[in-house]
Amino acid sequence: DAGVIQSPRHEVTEMGQEVTLRCKPISGHDYLFWYRQTMMRGLELLIYFNNNVPIDDSGMPEDRFSAKMPNASFSTLKIQPSEPRDSAVYFCASSLQVPLRNTEAFFGQGTRLTVV
Amino acid sequence: QKEVEQDPGPLSVPEGAIVSLNCTYSNSAFQYFMWYRQYSRKGPELLMYTYSSGNKEDGRFTAQVDKSSKYISLFIRDSQPSDSATYLCAITIIQGAQKLVFGQGTRLTINP
Repeated sequence: DAGVIQSPRHEVTEMGQEVTLRCKPISGHDYLFWYRQTMMRGLELLIYFNNNVPIDDSGMPEDRFSAKMPNASFSTLKIQPSEPRDSAVYFCASSLQVPLRNTEAFFGQGTRLTVV
Repeated sequence: QKEVEQDPGPLSVPEGAIVSLNCTYSNSAFQYFMWYRQYSRKGPELLMYTYSSGNKEDGRFTAQVDKSSKYISLFIRDSQPSDSATYLCAITIIQGAQKLVFGQGTRLTINP
């Protein structure tokens, strides 16, 4: 397996534009997590899914953020409209179940988003 | 109040020093405790995990958990320049739903 795959790796967009980040989890993993990382706030959990169902979206900062997981192999995080304060690195991670004993969460390479 | 608190540093020490990294957490429902390491422009990778109070060793790394104080630590012995990275504590919450939350991360530099 190639691991968790995120696209694009870098995204530069203008304020007000819609941004869509994509994630392909590791095949067979039950959980998918979206995180946002900034210098000021560290790694924040935005939302996570279990078997394609959103479980907890309390970390989503505003209604401008939405996430979907239409099937076990694909998830999107959308920001509409984007704002400069959304600039961050967005990570997707997947795991067999919440890291337990010898399982772990595997992270993608991240999408570096810059909103100008 | 954040669920997991971690001093972001930065922390800079000479090669060979013993490094101590720490986190505190607030929720007794936390069950599993992990340390992830993140190199620049990469995603975090699991370094160590434990689920009970006490110490767990893996080579030069020791993870320590004190559930009574809600305190977790990572010790690095004989630190090397290749240990320079950001270290994030991570904890699972199991209260019906299950989720993985991270501390802010401590940026560590080992100077040759």
